[in-house]
Amino acid sequence: AQSVAQPEDQVNVAEGNPLTVKCTYSVSGNPYLFWYVQYPNRGLQFLLKYITGDNLVKGSYGFEAEFNKSQTSFHLKKPSALVSDSALYFCAVRDRGRSGGSYIPTFGRGTSLIVHP
Amino acid sequence: DTGVSQNPRHKITKRGQNVTFRCDPISEHNRLYWYRQTLGQGPEFLTYFQNEAQLEKSRLLSDRFSAERPKGSFSTLEIQRTEQGDSAMYLCASSLGTGNNEAFFGQGTRLTVV
Repeated sequence: AQSVAQPEDQVNVAEGNPLTVKCTYSVSGNPYLFWYVQYPNRGLQFLLKYITGDNLVKGSYGFEAEFNKSQTSFHLKKPSALVSDSALYFCAVRDRGRSGGSYIPTFGRGTSLIVHP
Repeated sequence: DTGVSQNPRHKITKRGQNVTFRCDPISEHNRLYWYRQTLGQGPEFLTYFQNEAQLEKSRLLSDRFSAERPKGSFSTLEIQRTEQGDSAMYLCASSLGTGNNEAFFGQGTRLTVV
């Protein structure tokens, strides 16, 4: 079975400081990894994904994420946080291969990012 | 707007009533997913279609739940004999082709069972 863990329910950071939102995953094979953001009363919006290749993935709104296979992690980062980045962030994984895995993206519980002015 | 559209946005129903939600995916997307999200949780998978075929169903999807995607276009999710525990946000998402493509989500239908 595939799973995602987001160990922090909430992350607080001051505007202008770097931010990190943590994600670890478990799959039977190799992963496809995704980050989504959810603003209040809105659906999930895609931020970025790791498929293959360079371990550092760049996405929307200045976000990036680093894939670390040995640590099975895919942490979301941004060099300088904005108040408008405050939202819920979800990490998702799906197994690249069918053997023992699923085509369906599995989501973490989410991390609430609060950026203080 | 060419995104994923869900209707209604909000539904309040009495316990025991049936409800039906509609999802219109992005037109060229062949994959369609239904998820359920409750407060403080991430989206939980309910069911998945590839074109008109329902290929996977979660154990969360009891026999009171049924989903269809006639002709591989829009999809409906019906809940029969609603219970208070069914109160949640129901999210629809669609994606194109292979599994490395990201899913695009609608704004969801918020169901409240009173």
